Amino acid sequence: QQPVQSPQAVILREGEDAVINCSSSKALYSVHWYRQKHGEAPVFLMILLKGGEQKGHEKISASFNEKKQQSSLYLTASQLSYSGTYFCGTGISNFGNEKLTFGTGTRLTIIP
Amino acid sequence: GAGVSQSPSNKVTEKGKDVELRCDPISGHTALYWYRQSLGQGLEFLIYFQGNSAPDKSGLPSDRFSAERTGGSVSTLTIQRTQQEDSAVYLCASSLGGNRNQPQHFGDGTRLSIL
Repeated sequence: QQPVQSPQAVILREGEDAVINCSSSKALYSVHWYRQKHGEAPVFLMILLKGGEQKGHEKISASFNEKKQQSSLYLTASQLSYSGTYFCGTGISNFGNEKLTFGTGTRLTIIP
Repeated sequence: GAGVSQSPSNKVTEKGKDVELRCDPISGHTALYWYRQSLGQGLEFLIYFQGNSAPDKSGLPSDRFSAERTGGSVSTLTIQRTQQEDSAVYLCASSLGGNRNQPQHFGDGTRLSIL
């Protein structure tokens, strides 16, 4: 089953913060986050593994709550370059490389 | 090249024709994935290769879809007797092999339009 992302879309002013959530009904081992700009390929942001770790760099970070099978992506002090559609991709195996099941995406628009 | 390369970038064909889409993964990446993205939608998994074998073909929509990978490198996705509902962007991704979860690196995709 496809993970559910929320919100579906959000508009922010430059400098504001955003939180994007990804929830699954399945037990997860990994959550991948990607950003896709219009007409371009999805670009990898980060992977979180079972264990509830939090990762991030600079102003983009994420957490993984394995009890809730939920991951959240945090964007702080958003920049114009953050605009795009964010997808979470979920994996259920610790085997390593496996298919990801992607959510329907969250469209983020940053305005000046 | 440095990234995943897909060709053609755009393909327009008539309903009923066969099409071949090509993916050239990042050198050294043993895992290769095909996804399909319809307009405004998420990414739909089609098939996954580890080396030349396909452990997971569960996402192929019908027997009109097939894929192969040769030499552990280039992969071809073939759609026979295309239908209008096959219109979408077909994305290929590759990742390092091994027993650790690795990022998937995507190509720019092939935009397929069936008239």
